[in-house]
Amino acid sequence: GAGVSQSPSNKVTEKGKDVELRCDPISGHTALYWYRQSLGQGLEFLIYFQGNSAPDKSGLPSDRFSAERTGGSVSTLTIQRTQQEDSAVYLCASSALSGGAFYEQYFGPGTRLTVT
Amino acid sequence: AQSVAQPEDQVNVAEGNPLTVKCTYSVSGNPYLFWYVQYPNRGLQFLLKYITGDNLVKGSYGFEAEFNKSQTSFHLKKPSALVSDSALYFCAVHNFNKFYFGSGTKLNVKP
Repeated sequence: GAGVSQSPSNKVTEKGKDVELRCDPISGHTALYWYRQSLGQGLEFLIYFQGNSAPDKSGLPSDRFSAERTGGSVSTLTIQRTQQEDSAVYLCASSALSGGAFYEQYFGPGTRLTVT
Repeated sequence: AQSVAQPEDQVNVAEGNPLTVKCTYSVSGNPYLFWYVQYPNRGLQFLLKYITGDNLVKGSYGFEAEFNKSQTSFHLKKPSALVSDSALYFCAVHNFNKFYFGSGTKLNVKP
């Protein structure tokens, strides 16, 4: 079974451009999370999807950030008008749900975004 | 507010010695507790979790952690450290559909 995959692995973009980051979760996992990890920092929660429920967007740092999850599987994180402070590693994780309990998250390798 | 604290940015230990990486949390209700490890240029990997039951949980690579409800702690331990254990360790709490991560502790194991 494949793990969580993310693409691209690295992205260099110019300030002001839009970028899309993709996450393919583990098949059957209903929960999907996006995090941001800046150099030397911990994980910053961005957004959470669970099944067909409305996503929890409480961690998105600004309205330049948005995410969608199509068909309850693949997710795309979009950053519009990128700024240098957006440079970070963006991590995606998925998790199963059983009997109302969430289990451990499985993380993808991340996308390293550099805004020049 | 929910929060997780890892009070040590870095822990240094000699190979063969026991290690402890500290974690305390502040959440409402009964949380699920996790430890993850991040090796250089790698994604986060699950080490162990506490959901319910025995306070001492055992996980991958010989690690274990003890849940202490009164002290709201979930310290990670290993009886004998290996150089290959050198990595960044994150404590996390799952509560109300979200995971809250600590800031991470860098473990350095010297030969």
